[in-house]
Amino acid sequence: QSVLTQPPSVSGAPGQRVTISCTGDNSNIGPRYYVHWYQQFPGNAPKLLIYGDNNRPSGVPDRFSASKSGTSASLAISGLQPEDEAHYFCQSYDTTLSGFWVFGGGTKLTVL
Amino acid sequence: QVLLQESGPGLVKPSETLSLTCTVSGGSISSYYWNWIRQSPGMGLEWIGYVYYTGSSNSNPSLKSRVTISVDTSRNQFSLKLNSVTAADTAVYYCARLNSATLGGFDIWGQGTMVTVSS
Repeated sequence: QSVLTQPPSVSGAPGQRVTISCTGDNSNIGPRYYVHWYQQFPGNAPKLLIYGDNNRPSGVPDRFSASKSGTSASLAISGLQPEDEAHYFCQSYDTTLSGFWVFGGGTKLTVL
Repeated sequence: QVLLQESGPGLVKPSETLSLTCTVSGGSISSYYWNWIRQSPGMGLEWIGYVYYTGSSNSNPSLKSRVTISVDTSRNQFSLKLNSVTAADTAVYYCARLNSATLGGFDIWGQGTMVTVSS
């Protein structure tokens, strides 16, 4: 069971806007710890999509955005395109025990 | 362009030690935290641990007693050893770079290598 909670799946039609939530607690997502998001296609390694709560690496379209509030974060994809169909994972840092990086269980985005 | 490449056996027997190496090319291993992350079939991602180029390391509390991560700066490589493996350790193992410029995000990943634990 993952430390961060994501919905197993979301879907949307081309052109629509979808959001994916990521819920943690005060030992991970919070004012001190950044949330990052990854996109993963089948058979490929995850790719950093959003870092530091809401920053896009070079080359990531501005259709992808993210936000954080309290102990939850969300990824938004606007103008949905068929090639956005993939798994999306959130990641943060957890301070329990000696501290370690944690991921969400992942969300499968289906473009209808 | 920095590239990471995992290498090691794809099949390990139960109770034995899983050993993987990640080769860093296109850049120096100095600076950055170098990580191992795994993904069980159909499951999410699990951080295993990191090594800094100085040799200091840390690992996931759930695996700490079984994990050793080391670095060889002369070869631009870092390695993972996971002992006493069971079927639950069957997964795709990735090496990845943790970058302060991305505020703790893993910005570069290897392609991953599948390791199966089976007799």
